[in-house]
Amino acid sequence: AQSVTQPDIHITVSEGASLELRCNYSYGATPYLFWYVQSPGQGLQLLLKYFSGDTLVQGIKGFEAEFKRSQSSFNLRKPSVHWSDAAEYFCAVVAENNDMRFGAGTRLTVKP
Amino acid sequence: EADIYQTPRYLVIGTGKKITLECSQTMGHDKMYWYQQDPGMELHLIHYSYGVNSTEKGDLSSESTVSRIRTEHFPLTLESARPSHTSQYLCASSEQGVRPQHFGDGTRLSIL
Repeated sequence: AQSVTQPDIHITVSEGASLELRCNYSYGATPYLFWYVQSPGQGLQLLLKYFSGDTLVQGIKGFEAEFKRSQSSFNLRKPSVHWSDAAEYFCAVVAENNDMRFGAGTRLTVKP
Repeated sequence: EADIYQTPRYLVIGTGKKITLECSQTMGHDKMYWYQQDPGMELHLIHYSYGVNSTEKGDLSSESTVSRIRTEHFPLTLESARPSHTSQYLCASSEQGVRPQHFGDGTRLSIL
């Protein structure tokens, strides 16, 4: 069965530091991959998606993610974190039946 | 900026009550979804719809029911609420095919 793993439950970084959030998937065919962000009291907002082509995809708010088929990974990165980036981040993959599977999320805390 | 609306945002209610959580979208999306979200857990799909008069159960067993009489409206009903139903419920919609889902801000439900 398809699955998504986000190994880090909680990450703390200092404002201005770089960020990488990990995502690994288990899926036999070519995956469709997504990153969403959820601020407190709100729904999920799409940051970026990968369907095909260039394995480095750019998203909103200065985020990017790189698809690595050999590692079954789709890690999210940002070169310089802002305090407003503090939120919960979810990786997702579209499964065979076109349903979206989400990871358990990584909570990001930003230190001043 | 959300084009998908959920009401109420918060609901605290006693055991045994009938509850309807409302979800409406103005994007004309055919597909709509209901997820249950608990802290530190992945989102669990409880219901989805491919269009008017289409409803399907998701992966997570749920005692709730849904209806899709109009494209824009996808309400979720609990006939008799129990404390185990306490959770956050997120509604989402998407175009047909593999497309990102757009989320509402959720309903946080507490059953006493």
